[in-house]
This record gives sequence, structure tokens and C-alpha cells, in this order.
Amino acid sequence: GNSVTQMEGPVTLSEEAFLTINCTYTATGYPSLFWYVQYPGEGLQLLLKATKADDKGSNKGFEATYRKETTSFHLEKGSVQVSDSAVYFCALSRIQGAQKLVFGQGTRLTINP
Amino acid sequence: EAGVTQFPSHSVIEKGQTVTLRCDPISGHDNLYWYRRVMGKEIKFLLHFVKESKQDESGMPNNRFLAERTGGTYSTLKVQPAELEDSGVYFCASSPGGGATEAFFGQGTRLTVV
Repeated sequence: GNSVTQMEGPVTLSEEAFLTINCTYTATGYPSLFWYVQYPGEGLQLLLKATKADDKGSNKGFEATYRKETTSFHLEKGSVQVSDSAVYFCALSRIQGAQKLVFGQGTRLTINP
Repeated sequence: EAGVTQFPSHSVIEKGQTVTLRCDPISGHDNLYWYRRVMGKEIKFLLHFVKESKQDESGMPNNRFLAERTGGTYSTLKVQPAELEDSGVYFCASSPGGGATEAFFGQGTRLTVV
């Protein structure tokens, strides 16, 4: 079946550190891949997405590249800020678009000043 | 434009009671989804409406859960009777019709069954 595996948290970093949150997936065909973020007290927000192999999604300084050969979609940011503290979810949709998302377990990120 | 709104934000009920969660999607969005996150685990799909019709309810855990979307606008998710393992955060999401590439989520309803 379809599944998403994220690196386990929590992750704690200092401000301006480099961030990587690993995400690998198992799916048939060519899924669309997403990163969602949940800031404290808020709902899930789409952070970035990629719909085909080698696509790079980017937003707010975050990037992730759709790697079909390694079935990965790792999230990276070169210099994190305290305001990036949140829970990050990697997800896939086997159907084109954002239908019926399959999520990873989430990674809680805390950035200390 | 208002986002996806969920009511209530928190609910604490006793085992055996009934609870109804409500979701108001973004106006005009045909697709409405329910998801659930239990005990800090992954967020799992429950079901998908297209307008008022259930397109996919493969994720509904059992027949204690009933979802409706009368008139194709807001949706309710009723749990009757609630069990301890139903505790978690219930998310609603909506997206426009067609192959939309983004689903917009509400803040979620935290349900605690004691």
C-alpha cells in the first residue's frame, strides 16, 4: 500500500542552523508529494508541493526535491528561525492533485534563539 | 475569504456519549475531506465528499462513525457511541472541483473521550 515515513522527532535546533527533515514514501505509480506545516494553535497549511519526478517545491526558504530513484522528498532550509517552530507533515497523493492524502507521522521542530 | 472552519475546537465527552463535529468548507469547494490524528501518530484519511455524495469512505473506522453533507455545504461527523480510542484530533479539509493540487485544512477538533 501507500505509505510515508518521516524522521522521528522531536527535532531541536538553534536559530540559523541548517534543517533537514527526511521523508521517504512507498506508492504505486507517480504520486504527488507535499509538505504541510502546523503552527501552534493553527490548522495544517500547505508549505510546498511537487507533482512529478525532479520537481523542486519551495516556499518561505524551505525546499524539497521529488526524487523518484530514492523515493524521497526531504525538507530542507538553510537557516531556520524561531518562527519555524511547528509540526511538519510529509504527505503523498496517489491520485493526481491533493485528493486523499497519505501522511507521515509528523516531526515536531523547535528552534531556540 | 473565510477558510475552513471547524466546531467545536475542543470536546471532552464520556465513553458511550455522542458527539457531533462540524466542518464548514471554503465556499464553492466541491471536495470535502475528513482526517483524524490519533495519539501523535500519522494523520489518517477518513472519507471524501464530492458535493453531497460520499466519494470514498474507505477510511471510516467502524459504523459508530456517521458523516453527512446535506446540500453539499457544511458537513457533520457524528460518533455514537464514543469509545476511548476515538480520542484524537479530527481535521476537515476542502478543495475546489477537478484536479485541485491543494487541500485547505481547518484547525481541527480535539476530541477527548474519558
